[in-house]
Amino acid sequence: GQNIDQPTEMTATEGAIVQINCTYQTSGFNGLFWYQQHAGEAPTFLSYNVLDGLEEKGRFSSFLSRSKGYSYLLLKELQMKDSASYLCAVRDSNYQLIWGAGTKLIIKP
Amino acid sequence: NAGVTQTPKFRVLKTGQSMTLLCAQDMNHEYMYWYRQDPGMGLRLIHYSVGEGTTAKGEVPDGYNVSRLKKQNFLLGLESAAPSQTSVYFCASKTGADTGELFFGEGSRLTVL
Repeated sequence: GQNIDQPTEMTATEGAIVQINCTYQTSGFNGLFWYQQHAGEAPTFLSYNVLDGLEEKGRFSSFLSRSKGYSYLLLKELQMKDSASYLCAVRDSNYQLIWGAGTKLIIKP
Repeated sequence: NAGVTQTPKFRVLKTGQSMTLLCAQDMNHEYMYWYRQDPGMGLRLIHYSVGEGTTAKGEVPDGYNVSRLKKQNFLLGLESAAPSQTSVYFCASKTGADTGELFFGEGSRLTVL
């Protein structure tokens, strides 16, 4: 079966750095996505990785290792507004997205 | 900039009632999707459409029907609602097959009593 694993909840301090991991087992691979979802709101796109390595976009970076079936989202200089759920999703061989359950990130002052 | 708009935002139904959720997008996107989101679970695909007049089943299609009569609209119907269909429903759209980024509506919270 297809499976996306990510921690249920993480806590970090304002101004710090946090890494949210995602491991996957899917039928084929055509890219990995990270979305941010604030409570009660819609998911919004953060990043896309299809080749191994690090993609940086401002305070957010996303890393992919296809051989290990592993990705992480790195958030730097955490702000209170970063409190949200972070969703990992993998596009499989049929170009369908398989979603993880999301990681709820709590930022403390 | 409207983007993806869902109506209604909230609805309470009794078991056995029917209803339709409407999704409208103004970005001229070809692909449209209906997902449900439940606590502790990832988004699950109900039905999707790759263009006007086409629909296809996703991961959890039972109990739902869809129609895409116009390119900008994607309707999700529940013919006979069940408590198991209590969920938050999200519509999403994207330009085409190769594009990854999905644009989501604000969600529709449905409660079936």
